Amino acid sequence: GAGVSQSPSNKVTEKGKDVELRCDPISGHTALYWYRQSLGQGLEFLIYFQGNSAPDKSGLPSDRFSAERTGGSVSTLTIQRTQQEDSAVYLCASSPPGTSGIGSSYEQYFGPGTRLTVT
Amino acid sequence: RKEVEQDPGPFNVPEGATVAFNCTYSNSASQSFFWYRQDCRKEPKLLMSVYSSGNEDGRFTAQLNRASQYISLLIRDSKLSDSATYLCVVNRGGSYIPTFGRGTSLIVHP
Repeated sequence: GAGVSQSPSNKVTEKGKDVELRCDPISGHTALYWYRQSLGQGLEFLIYFQGNSAPDKSGLPSDRFSAERTGGSVSTLTIQRTQQEDSAVYLCASSPPGTSGIGSSYEQYFGPGTRLTVT
Repeated sequence: RKEVEQDPGPFNVPEGATVAFNCTYSNSASQSFFWYRQDCRKEPKLLMSVYSSGNEDGRFTAQLNRASQYISLLIRDSKLSDSATYLCVVNRGGSYIPTFGRGTSLIVHP
């Protein structure tokens, strides 16, 4: 079946511009996560969605970062006034519901990521 | 102390060797445990869940030691294609936010 898809795969932008990154989760997956990974570094949690709501936004690094999810499906991560330190790979992952049909199974399936370069 | 710690390696082993990695976690309320593998410049892929009783999938065996708060991954008969970074992931009970370790690098050479 179709996996998690992300677009664009690569994005080069000038410092100060806004960018929008898109994630299409696996159909039926209720939980959606955004992470970023800098070169040679671990995964940094950004935000988690359960359905369309975001119970945990604690990982967003600043108010320049925002995310939304519509229809319990597609999510967009927006970075305003990009800075060079925003350069990283932005990864999206989705999780199926738990065995009770609610919550999350905790297993995550990742998209290929968007490589963002801010010049 | 970091919530999830892994030896970054690299572990350099010949084909056919058996290799094991450990991952320690600090929060005793942790409930769910996973191993992922990440190839260079690729996304992480779920390798296996780690169950309390331990579990095996082909050449891979995962164990959980709650008393000492660590999980382990054993790879038997290593293949060149096993070369990757292995990420340990832990979920605290009641939390849907996983904590990823920094990963252990494995290099399998001919």
